[in-house]
Order: sequence, then structure tokens, then C-alpha cells
Amino acid sequence: GAGVSQTPSNKVTEKGKYVELRCDPISGHTALYWYRQSLGQGPEFLIYFQGTGAADDSGLPNDRFFAVRPEGSVSTLKIQRTERGDSAMYLCASSLDSRTEAFFGQGTRLTVV
Amino acid sequence: DAKTTQPTSMDCAEGRAANLPCNHSTISGNEYVYWYRQIHSQGPQYIIHGLKNNETNEMASLIITEDRKSSTLILPHATLRDTAVYYCIVRYQAGTALIFGKGTTLSVSS
Repeated sequence: GAGVSQTPSNKVTEKGKYVELRCDPISGHTALYWYRQSLGQGPEFLIYFQGTGAADDSGLPNDRFFAVRPEGSVSTLKIQRTERGDSAMYLCASSLDSRTEAFFGQGTRLTVV
Repeated sequence: DAKTTQPTSMDCAEGRAANLPCNHSTISGNEYVYWYRQIHSQGPQYIIHGLKNNETNEMASLIITEDRKSSTLILPHATLRDTAVYYCIVRYQAGTALIFGKGTTLSVSS
């Protein structure tokens, strides 16, 4: 079946604006993860969902970042009052459950100007 | 923080085996070793994982030392398409996210 899908693939926004990034996991996968990656660095963990609930949100950098997964499938990462430092590749991954390997999407490249 | 140590970069000739080392001296008994790779501008790709026994799949082999303090990922016949950043990750199996370090940049040349 289809892999993890992230939309949009690229997003340019102005400083101070609100953005939403969408992740469609592999069908039937109950665990979903968000990461962000800056140039030359490994992916940085943000938040992990098991079903509809956030099992671990310890990686969210501040209260401008929020993520939801209301029906246990699609997830949206929301960033308020964007800053230039938020510019990065945002990656989503899903796994069948919390114990199995995760599969990543191709990411959303966010640029804050 | 990542619990693993990997060399920053490695080179390999096309057609030769690529052996990528990873140290994880503080690994606990119920933590697995995972390997992912990331080809430029793509999302990370799962390669293999193991607990204490050696593992092999169509992509690679994973050799874990008996004391589990280190492991080696082996790509038996490297190709140019294997050029990527390779991440070794230690993960408690139940209900935790993957925590990435900086990985090893493997360059395969002809």
C-alpha cells in the first residue's frame, strides 16, 4: 500500500504566521511520530502518538508547537507565530504499533522568511 | 541524547563490503539496536534491527557483539546508491520514539 504521505512538500511562510503540516500515516498504523531536521543534523524528535493520544510530547520545543491526531489516523503539526529558526524539514513516521519499526514520509520543507 | 557513537564519515569502493561500526556501551538488556539510513533529501529508511542475535535481511546484516556494547552494520556489496547517512539507534522496544544522533556519512565511489 501507500507509504507515509506528508503535505505540503514545501511551505514558505512569513515570520509570525500560523502554519499547519499534515501527515497521513500508513493505513492501520497506530503509532505516529513527528521529527524536525535542520541541515547537517539528524532528525530531532518532537512528539509521538499512540492512537489519538500523545504518548510523549517531550520534544516539542515550546508552546508555539502543537500536534493533534483526533481520529487516530491523520495528524497535523501546528506552529503558531512562526520564527525564522523554525525553518527546517519536518518529518513524519508511522509504525504498526509502538514496538515495531517506523516508516518515514518524505517530509515538509518549511521556510520562514 | 543519543546513546550511540558512530564515526562521522566512511568511504567504500563500489562492490566491496561496507562495515559501519556503532558503539552503545550503556545499552540495557531490553533495548534494541536499530539502523536507518537517509539518502540526500529523502526521509530516513529503515534497514534492520536486533536485540542480541545477528540479523540479516535483503538489505544488510547486523552483527551485535556478545556483550552488546557495540554492533556493525554490513552492506555486503556496496553500490553508489548506498551513499547516505547511516544512523545507529538504541531503542527501548515498548512505546518509545527513535532518538537519532548525527550518524555516519558513507560515501561509495566507483
